Amino acid sequence: QSVLTQPPSASGTPGQRVTISCSGSSSNIGSNTVNWYQQLPGTAPKLLIYSNNQRPSGVPDRFSGSKSGTSASLAISGLQSEDEADYYCAAWDDSLNGPLYVFGTGTKVTIL
Amino acid sequence: QVQLQESGPGLVKPSETLSLTCTVSGDSISSNYWMWIRQPPGKGLEWIGYIYHTGSTNYNPSLKSRVTISVDTSKNQFSLNVSSVTAADTAVYYCARDAGYGAFDIWGQGTVVTVSS
Repeated sequence: QSVLTQPPSASGTPGQRVTISCSGSSSNIGSNTVNWYQQLPGTAPKLLIYSNNQRPSGVPDRFSGSKSGTSASLAISGLQSEDEADYYCAAWDDSLNGPLYVFGTGTKVTIL
Repeated sequence: QVQLQESGPGLVKPSETLSLTCTVSGDSISSNYWMWIRQPPGKGLEWIGYIYHTGSTNYNPSLKSRVTISVDTSKNQFSLNVSSVTAADTAVYYCARDAGYGAFDIWGQGTVVTVSS
């Protein structure tokens, strides 16, 4: 049911930069802000980026977000082993049935 | 420090009703919107719905006919009911707080619910 499309996987070596894309439409990313979540194995998701490009307190500045039109992206610079996790974009969708919160399909980041 | 804790049965029989409660500590439930999200084994996240302390709710259309979310402000809790469950409802169920604009900043640890006879 995901209406936000992400690549299933991404990888990099320690220190490299990885970028994850999130493609949506005018009713979600095109109209609302994008949030990103990090889910480490066996744990609950954690808010990583909110309002397109804002980092909650405690999130390293290695993580950055951006949005353009109906797409968004998450960049991880200076990749570290602890960044190996699943990453999800998310946004409100202005559906005809009322506000619907949609998550992306998820991207698994692997450290090589 | 705000914390959320899900509680409820870990095993539910097919066709019965799944019932979970989320207890909020460190914050008043009379602020913010409160969410339920689930994650089937090996799959992605699915938003179930939200409630505001006034009782106002909004549900995912794909589940709307079977889902009810309610709030008990006296206990600082909100609850989820999913009726007529099938194996497809087997998942980790999370409650979360919306800090605004869909930024779910606080999550419970999640509770595993298995639908099986």
